Amino acid sequence: DAKTTQPNSMESNEEEPVHLPCNHSTISGTDYIHWYRQLPSQGPEYVIHGLTSNVNNRMASLAIAEDRKSSTLILHRATLRDAAVYYCIRGSNYKLTFGKGTLLTVNP
Amino acid sequence: GAGVSQTPSNKVTEKGKYVELRCDPISGHTALYWYRQSLGQGPEFLIYFQGTGAADDSGLPNDRFFAVRPEGSVSTLKIQRTERGDSAVYLCASSLTNSGAGDEQFFGPGTRLTVL
Repeated sequence: DAKTTQPNSMESNEEEPVHLPCNHSTISGTDYIHWYRQLPSQGPEYVIHGLTSNVNNRMASLAIAEDRKSSTLILHRATLRDAAVYYCIRGSNYKLTFGKGTLLTVNP
Repeated sequence: GAGVSQTPSNKVTEKGKYVELRCDPISGHTALYWYRQSLGQGPEFLIYFQGTGAADDSGLPNDRFFAVRPEGSVSTLKIQRTERGDSAVYLCASSLTNSGAGDEQFFGPGTRLTVL
């Protein structure tokens, strides 16, 4: 039970922003929201995580809804190298429970 | 610096055989994790080590699976009497520690196991 809901796939154009949604309506107060991505034939790669406040790092931004039942991963300018499966994971400890994620296609 | 490495990258074996998969974590990382990824699915948690001890092995599917980390660094995942259903990519990850918030896990490239 992944406990998060994501679209199966999304498509974007190169150099445009991408907003990847995630629903986690049963999230508890102590659960963090993590995002990982997996490029073809590679292991998953950490993207970002947060608890309540919006977070920014060099890779992306994470916008968390006020009620914490949903969040959005924002890639500000998609590149071809951003094409991957993006996983939204909720959890309060080491055990990452991956769902099927969102397959992001980036068009040149 | 060096990331997490896993050997072999590919392993083909016959049903019923024993296999060992090795993981070299990032130096200094105290936490180590094993996951299994079947085709078209997200990774599935198997076991977590903090130092030398298995802090959580609740994801191991049955007693044919066993993992060790005797010196708190390299880990070996051992599978006895392999079955065709064990075919998957086995991923190893490590993190600096485990603060409870979920420290960033660094994943290796995985070992693709095929059981014929």
